[in-house]
Amino acid sequence: QQKVQQSPESLSVPEGGMASLNCTSSDRNFQYFWWYRQHSGEGPKALMSIFSDGDKKEGRFTAHLNKASLHVSLHIRDSQPSDSALYFCAARNYNQGKLIFGQGTKLSIKP
Amino acid sequence: GPKVLQIPSHQIIDMGQMVTLNCDPVSNHLYFYWYKQILGQQMEFLVNFYNGKVMEKSKLFKDQFSVERPDGSYFTLKIQPTALEDSAVYFCASSLIRTGGERLFFGHGTKLSVL
Repeated sequence: QQKVQQSPESLSVPEGGMASLNCTSSDRNFQYFWWYRQHSGEGPKALMSIFSDGDKKEGRFTAHLNKASLHVSLHIRDSQPSDSALYFCAARNYNQGKLIFGQGTKLSIKP
Repeated sequence: GPKVLQIPSHQIIDMGQMVTLNCDPVSNHLYFYWYKQILGQQMEFLVNFYNGKVMEKSKLFKDQFSVERPDGSYFTLKIQPTALEDSAVYFCASSLIRTGGERLFFGHGTKLSVL
């Protein structure tokens, strides 16, 4: 069973709009959640992390974590064409190095 | 920012041959990782490595796979012999420490094509 599930598989948002990506974990041992972004031909790059319940804002990006439901979300406001990429939710235990990725959400920002 | 370099960017080999993928991690990082990505989809964890030892590995890290970093040089993934299903993009990553709150820095990947 996939331990980190993302939805939707793909998302199209007009330029300037809000993009919302979702992620749910099935493993309560995961305590650290990350969002990574991968542009075509490159490796994933960390966007932001969230470990505590509630919201965390970094510029146009806001992550939300609900530990009780193990649900994480990422909201991108004022979306730009350069935000078009594959977005991964990833999770980690406190005592393990391996980072487990979800299957990704392909985001397309339409000019 | 910190960069992880992977060499080569593309490798084509015949099934059954040996291949070595090279990674130059961020200079002061201590933990190293390999991930496998097929068709631009999910990133699958293979292995992580610290102080000359494999710390964790997944079921995808078959007996034909090995990793090493001799004397602080390249961190390498060796596959011997290769199989058709090994065709994928392999990403190397590194981090300074192993705690959950530490980000991984990824290279641009090596595309391996096994014919």
